[in-house]
Amino acid sequence: DTAVSQTPKYLVTQMGNDKSIKCEQNLGHDTMYWYKQDSKKFLKIMFSYNNKELIINETVPNRFSPKSPDKAHLNLHINSLELGDSAVYFCASSQVGVGNTIYFGEGSWLTVV
Amino acid sequence: AQSVTQPDIHITVSEGASLELRCNYSYGATPYLFWYVQSPGQGLQLLLKYFSGDTLVQGIKGFEAEFKRSQSSFNLRKPSVHWSDAAEYFCAVFNGDKLTFGTGTQLKVEL
Repeated sequence: DTAVSQTPKYLVTQMGNDKSIKCEQNLGHDTMYWYKQDSKKFLKIMFSYNNKELIINETVPNRFSPKSPDKAHLNLHINSLELGDSAVYFCASSQVGVGNTIYFGEGSWLTVV
Repeated sequence: AQSVTQPDIHITVSEGASLELRCNYSYGATPYLFWYVQSPGQGLQLLLKYFSGDTLVQGIKGFEAEFKRSQSSFNLRKPSVHWSDAAEYFCAVFNGDKLTFGTGTQLKVEL
């Protein structure tokens, strides 16, 4: 059983398209995140949700819209894709509280051509 | 705001040699510190974490890290490196809301 699962793992798409990446966690956690890893391997948070409520939105373009239908799912929708959106997107989850670990999914490799 | 510095972008060691990867953090309160490893084309795997208590923490795959508050450091060590340890290593600090990562250290292992 994969704790945090993302689909698709690989996605190649043209500029201007709209795409979604789905994430699900089966750990019973109340907080989920999206991180972006750029071509230089730098990891930066994009969003976090706690019990379906947006907690963090880190200066991400409006073309990126997270949606959390329930606390086990956090999907990422990207409109009007640009070349610079090419990156690896990681979903993660944790349980709020001291000492709790953040668990990451396997990543979704997005290439915009 | 918190920040993490990993001064070494690349490190190459011979198989069987010891390893130390450096990590310095900046955070106003008690830091919650993590080391993650990313193998090529793979996701992030937690190696170990520090929240409180013993400043020397043990992790998976024979790794350990030592928290030194006076030096704001959380260096990762392994006494004998295996070829399969070749990967990207990330140090991170958690502030209660999010993880802030360092820029990573790429480890190469010479056979």
